[in-house]
Amino acid sequence: ELKVEQNPLFLSMQEGKNYTIYCNYSTTSDRLYWYRQDPGKSLESLFVLLSNGAVKQEGRLMASLDTKARLSTLHITAAVHDLSATYFCAVDMGNTPLVFGKGTRLSVIA
Amino acid sequence: ETGVTQSPTHLIKTRGQQVTLRCSSQSGHNTVSWYQQALGQGPQFIFQYYREEENGRGNFPPRFSGLQFPNYSSELNVNALELDDSALYLCASSLTGLGGETQYFGPGTRLLVL
Repeated sequence: ELKVEQNPLFLSMQEGKNYTIYCNYSTTSDRLYWYRQDPGKSLESLFVLLSNGAVKQEGRLMASLDTKARLSTLHITAAVHDLSATYFCAVDMGNTPLVFGKGTRLSVIA
Repeated sequence: ETGVTQSPTHLIKTRGQQVTLRCSSQSGHNTVSWYQQALGQGPQFIFQYYREEENGRGNFPPRFSGLQFPNYSSELNVNALELDDSALYLCASSLTGLGGETQYFGPGTRLLVL
């Protein structure tokens, strides 16, 4: 059974600081997704990583995938308040449904 | 905005009742997946429909059932509601459902069972 673990589950960080969210998964897969969810809202797709060593960047967020270590990271650079949200990673193994982590609730404070 | 719509946005039911939730997929997408998201948790897969056929099911009891119509819109039906069914129900559409492609989520239906 595929399991996805994120850490930390809660993160409070100051504006302007850098931090990394980690996503570990239990079974070999080269398909990993990052989503953002604002309170009371749906999921917004951030990144799709489809191969070992994939790196994608959008604004202050950068995601990478190491399929050998079964690890993805979401790096936040110079955090701003607008990044406050819950971030989910999710994995599938081809023709299988997405399995989500529990999410990392990020709060960026002044 | 993803182009995936869901109705209703909010719903309150009592234990034992039945509920139907609806989802319209993004234009050109023939696959709809349904997820249940309990408070403070990640979404959990309920089932997926591809071209009107069920194409995979998660660990949910048979009282959770669904349909997909020729226009690829979909319904989720839940019978004999229980308190633990209170959650945000999300549908997601994708092009083929084969994996490796982005699933686009709708705004969700928040169900409260009293």
